[in-house]
Amino acid sequence: DIQMTQSPSSLSASVGDRVTITCRASQSISSYLNWYQQRPGKAPKLLIYTAFSLQSGVPSRFSGGGSGTDFTLTISSLQPEDFATYYCQQSYSTPGTFGQGTKVEIK
Amino acid sequence: QVQLQESGPGLVKPSETLSLTCAVSGYSISSGYYWGWIRQPPGKGLEWIGSMFHSGSTYYNPSLKSRVIISVDTSKNQFSLKLSSVTAADTAVYYCARHYCSGGSCYGSLSWFDPWGQGTLVTVSS
Repeated sequence: DIQMTQSPSSLSASVGDRVTITCRASQSISSYLNWYQQRPGKAPKLLIYTAFSLQSGVPSRFSGGGSGTDFTLTISSLQPEDFATYYCQQSYSTPGTFGQGTKVEIK
Repeated sequence: QVQLQESGPGLVKPSETLSLTCAVSGYSISSGYYWGWIRQPPGKGLEWIGSMFHSGSTYYNPSLKSRVIISVDTSKNQFSLKLSSVTAADTAVYYCARHYCSGGSCYGSLSWFDPWGQGTLVTVSS
C-alpha cells in the first residue's frame, strides 16, 4: 500500500494567517491526490481533486499544489470556519489511502 | 443535489455480520458513478472499504476483501455494505459516498469521493 504522511499532525493558527499543510506519498502518485476537510462531528468534504483543482463551491482561499510525491494544501487567509482536520488521499493505486490528518486549531 | 444517508444497527456483536444501507436521493444510481464505503474508528483516520458500480464491477480494500460484500439495489436507489466476522477493531463511523472514477477505473486514474453521507457509528460489543 502507498503510505501517505501529512505534516504537521496539528497546528495552531490565527484568523487571517496563511497556512500550508504538506502531504508526502511513499512513492510517486503523479497528480492523483485529493484533499478533504472534516469539521468536528461531520463527514469529510472534498476540497481539491487531482492535486490542484478546486471543487465547486469551495472558497478560492484554498489551493493545492505538487506532483509526484510531495503535495501541499494552502489556506491563504484562515477563516473561523476553516478550523478542522484536513486529509489527503491518493487514487494512484488500490487501496486508496488517506493521510493521518492535520488538525488546524485556533491559536 | 445528491444526498446520501446511512442506516443500520448501531450495535453488533463480535463474530456477527455488520449490515448497513446507504439511501441515495437526487441522483439515480443506475445513471453512473461508483458508490463506496469508508470508515473512521473513533479519534482516528479514514479507511476506504470498497466501491461498486451499478452494473456490478467492484473494488475492495485487500485488507478487508475476505469479509466484505457491497451490493447495489437500483430499484430502491440504494447500496449496502456487509462486513462479516466483526471484532472490536471494526468499531467505527461508517460513511457512504459517491466515488467518481474517470474512465471507469477507480485507481490509476483520477478519482475522488463526493459527496459523503453524514456517517453512522457502529459499535462492536457483546
